[in-house]
Amino acid sequence: RKEVEQDPGPFNVPEGATVAFNCTYSNSASQSFFWYRQDCRKEPKLLMSVYSSGNEDGRFTAQLNRASQYISLLIRDSKLSDSATYLCVVRLGNQFYFGTGTSLTVIP
Amino acid sequence: DVKVTQSSRYLVKRTGEKVFLECVQDMDHENMFWYRQDPGLGLRLIYFSYDVKMKEKGDIPEGYSVSREKKERFSLILESASTNQTSMYLCASSLPGGDYEQYFGPGTRLTVT
Repeated sequence: RKEVEQDPGPFNVPEGATVAFNCTYSNSASQSFFWYRQDCRKEPKLLMSVYSSGNEDGRFTAQLNRASQYISLLIRDSKLSDSATYLCVVRLGNQFYFGTGTSLTVIP
Repeated sequence: DVKVTQSSRYLVKRTGEKVFLECVQDMDHENMFWYRQDPGLGLRLIYFSYDVKMKEKGDIPEGYSVSREKKERFSLILESASTNQTSMYLCASSLPGGDYEQYFGPGTRLTVT
């Protein structure tokens, strides 16, 4: 069983739409949670950390549900520049587990 | 501006060759990581180092070794390259602890023929 699972998509949404991604993790002892963004043929970059109380950064909102062992990312008012692959990342001790990513394309 | 550099963007090696992948960071970070990224499997941690000469195995260390003689440099070594080690290799660094951003290098696309 994979430590972290994501729906690979692709998600194709029009500009201005709201889109949500979920990610589940298998180990309840997982300690830290992140969303990274990876553009085509580029390296991953941190989008945001995910805190227990949920957190927001502009149009992006991340939530953590420890009871159900999933994290989510909500993107409001999608922009063309949001087109990328979004990677869910979970830390367990010194190990970092990446999901395979969810592909988003925002269409004009 | 933070920077992680990797020695090659593309590398082609033959089966059985010894391969060195070099990573250098200029941020004075204690933690450094080596991942490989494969379609359908995502990024998987090979090794990481939390200090000079210190290392810990990640999820898939078999067939790899690492060296960290200086704080800014972390090397990944394939002692005897095999075709199943054809992959994109990404190096990253971060501040100590587990809750800090990892900064990634641009990656090395290694092909073993």
